[in-house]
Amino acid sequence: DAKTTQPNSMESNEEEPVHLPCNHSTISGTDYIHWYRQLPSQGPEYVIHGLTSNVNNRMASLAIAEDRKSSTLILHRATLRDAAVYYCIPIQGGSEKLVFGKGTKLTVNP
Amino acid sequence: DADVTQTPRNRITKTGKRIMLECSQTKGHDRMYWYRQDPGLGLRLIYYSFDVKDINKGEISDGYSVSRQAQAKFSLSLESAIPNQTALYFCATSDRTGEETQYFGPGTRLLVL
Repeated sequence: DAKTTQPNSMESNEEEPVHLPCNHSTISGTDYIHWYRQLPSQGPEYVIHGLTSNVNNRMASLAIAEDRKSSTLILHRATLRDAAVYYCIPIQGGSEKLVFGKGTKLTVNP
Repeated sequence: DADVTQTPRNRITKTGKRIMLECSQTKGHDRMYWYRQDPGLGLRLIYYSFDVKDINKGEISDGYSVSRQAQAKFSLSLESAIPNQTALYFCATSDRTGEETQYFGPGTRLLVL
């Protein structure tokens, strides 16, 4: 499994963009990059994933470096409901499990 | 209705007791998982099942057993509960797309006295 490095915590103000970084320098060529988040007292929730190209969905955008050794989750306008722990998880297609690290705790200030 | 449900949501038990946590899903997924989460830590995989006849150990299976009664049901048992099994337990499901998106239940908070 590829190892990941994420900041322990980050802060943002409401309605401002947030860029959550993740380093995954040992990622293999077939690993997808998944992002999940866990809101307080809830189970993890899928956010977005990608392989090589940048990806957008209704929740966020994922920017993947050209060498794939890092990625950035972008929340375009943070809301108070985005306060959560965000996990970056490289995983090989067809693999059996997600490996969760400690993630980044995002605090959103009103 | 939630796609992945867990019962009970909270449980207090005593050391040595056998307890079962249950997970049901209506997503029609073949793959199901059990994780535990300790305070301040990420999730760790206990067991997973790719279909009804397939059971696999995760990284922390000691002290736990599972049963896949049907495609939609996956139960986790603690044969003889001990205090360090106090944790938050999550069930998850995924389909076979190969892109490994998992969908999690709301969790069961277990306290072993």
